[in-house]
Amino acid sequence: QVTLKESGPVLVKPTETLTLTCSVSGFSLDTPRKGVSWIRQPPGKALEWLAHIVSNDAKSYSASLKSRLTISKDTSKSQVVLTMTNVGPVDTGTYYCARLVDYVWGAAPYFDSWGQGTLVTVSS
Amino acid sequence: SYELTQPPSMSVSPGQTARITCSGDALPKQYVYWYQQKPGQAPIVVLIKDTERPSGIPERFSGSTSGTIVTLNIGGVQAEDEADYYCQSTDNSGSFVVFGGGTKLTVL
Repeated sequence: QVTLKESGPVLVKPTETLTLTCSVSGFSLDTPRKGVSWIRQPPGKALEWLAHIVSNDAKSYSASLKSRLTISKDTSKSQVVLTMTNVGPVDTGTYYCARLVDYVWGAAPYFDSWGQGTLVTVSS
Repeated sequence: SYELTQPPSMSVSPGQTARITCSGDALPKQYVYWYQQKPGQAPIVVLIKDTERPSGIPERFSGSTSGTIVTLNIGGVQAEDEADYYCQSTDNSGSFVVFGGGTKLTVL
């Protein structure tokens, strides 16, 4: 059974760096054509893809947030970490990690398993 | 930046068919995936590769395509189908993942 679980701070101050961890089980981060993505959702708003990392360590970032995001993985710990620098109130929302499947360069992958999400509030 | 466009909301009566559209310039070339999200829950995928149903998804969920528009069809809508629906794809180069703005489906 594939599971993903997000962890990280509930409250972050403006200008600080947010670090979120996704712990996975039921699959290996080395599995070909699979990976983990981070997706967020501001309260009452739409889903927004942030970044993903796949089995061969290839990474991709949202163009609008690329300068602030770093994604990495520790296969031995089955964890994927996302850092977001210089957060502000607009970064408040629920952050999900999701398993990415069907990864092929140049084509759309999709997300077949999601974590429950973690709510992050940015406020002083 | 590349965008996928969905109607913000839709209402249907039980038993009717709901048709939720997703439009984007790259859709003739790239697959679309559809997610259902109920309040307080994580999304689940209900259609993959434009028209395929993952295991466990009811047959009333289907998809169709026409050029730059992909449609999620829910035939015989039930009260339990009331949710937000999001389409997801990528741009022509496959560089970025993108979600549509979501459609809130209300079952009257």
